[in-house]
Amino acid sequence: DAGVIQSPRHEVTEMGQEVTLRCKPISGHDYLFWYRQTMMRGLELLIYFNNNVPIDDSGMPEDRFSAKMPNASFSTLKIQPSEPRDSAVYFCASSLSPTGARGYTFGSGTRLTVV
Amino acid sequence: GNSVTQMEGPVTLSEEAFLTINCTYTATGYPSLFWYVQYPGEGLQLLLKATKADDKGSNKGFEATYRKETTSFHLEKGSVQVSDSAVYFCALSRVSSGSARQLTFGSGTQLTVLP
Repeated sequence: DAGVIQSPRHEVTEMGQEVTLRCKPISGHDYLFWYRQTMMRGLELLIYFNNNVPIDDSGMPEDRFSAKMPNASFSTLKIQPSEPRDSAVYFCASSLSPTGARGYTFGSGTRLTVV
Repeated sequence: GNSVTQMEGPVTLSEEAFLTINCTYTATGYPSLFWYVQYPGEGLQLLLKATKADDKGSNKGFEATYRKETTSFHLEKGSVQVSDSAVYFCALSRVSSGSARQLTFGSGTQLTVLP
């Protein structure tokens, strides 16, 4: 298995533009998670899905952020409009159900810079 | 709620030195405990885990023992190498009522090993 695949690896965009981050989880994993990592706040869980359904989006910072999972093999995280404070590394992770004992498999992340 | 507290970094050691990174947790019930490692420019990788009290997780010379009485899961390695330089995250996972299990991460500890 190729692992969790994220694209793009790097994204530089201007303030106000729409940004879409993409994630392909490991086949067979029922859970998908989006995290944001910054120096100031560390790793923050933004949202997670179970069987393509959003379960908890309480970590999404504001309405500018949205996430979808149209099928078991693809998820997107969209920021519209983007702001400089959104600059961070965004990670996608997936895991098997029903137990969390095996941990998560993370993608390599997307480094977003909003100028 | 669940929380994880790690010793603050950065930690700088000479090659072949002994490593300890402290981790304590707060959680109800019996969480699973993990250590993740993040090498520069990469996503988090599962290093080791323990799912019940007194379990010892081990991998690549690293060890951690699940201590319920002290609510701790300290990471140790007897002889570090330059290649161990990375950020280490302690995490716990348990099922929350009404939703699936989530990973709660500590703030991470930067380790630098000098030759």
